[in-house]
Amino acid sequence: DAGVTQSPTHLIKTRGQQVTLRCSPKSGHDTVSWYQQALGQGPQFIFQYYEEEERQRGNFPDRFSGHQFPNYSSELNVNALLLGDSALYLCASSLAQGVAKLFFGSGTQLSVL
Amino acid sequence: KQEVTQIPAALSVPEGENLVLNCSFTDSAIYNLQWFRQDPGKGLTSLLLIQSSQREQTSGRLNASLDKSSGRSTLYIAASQPGDSATYLCAVRHYNDYKLSFGAGTTVTVRA
Repeated sequence: DAGVTQSPTHLIKTRGQQVTLRCSPKSGHDTVSWYQQALGQGPQFIFQYYEEEERQRGNFPDRFSGHQFPNYSSELNVNALLLGDSALYLCASSLAQGVAKLFFGSGTQLSVL
Repeated sequence: KQEVTQIPAALSVPEGENLVLNCSFTDSAIYNLQWFRQDPGKGLTSLLLIQSSQREQTSGRLNASLDKSSGRSTLYIAASQPGDSATYLCAVRHYNDYKLSFGAGTTVTVRA
């Protein structure tokens, strides 16, 4: 049973560029959440997708957008990259019903130069 | 706004000692609380999840307790091993939220 998979594992971009990160949820899961983790800090919630809709959004600017596909996989897009966007981006999947225990992927390390 | 605090930020113990990691949160109206482990540069591995109606959960050498009224949770790791060296994060989910609010973590080093 494959867990949550994220791609790419590492990415280097320059300021002003755009980036797309991808996530495939754990088999059977229908909900995907994205988190940003700066070095030495706990993850911060970006948004959650369920039934291809953004169900909840954290305190992140509109430069951060996402999408969920019919197969429940998801993308995170960040436009006009800033140096401060350098972080580990984590995807988590869960079931919409019940306890909703989160399972995390290994993350995408984004460096903005 | 839910604030989650983990003290201490770092901990170093000799192998075999029991570990006690603390987590406090400001809003007691939580749906559940999860403890995670994170190795450097890696994702999060879920260790234990405690529902708001529960007082504790156990898995092997790990035991987590929850006291909602005082806004505290404690993770106990018995007979620590060098392989337990990692950062441990607690996260709470509020009843009216889908998101997890995380603490900054406690980085544990177990010395052989």
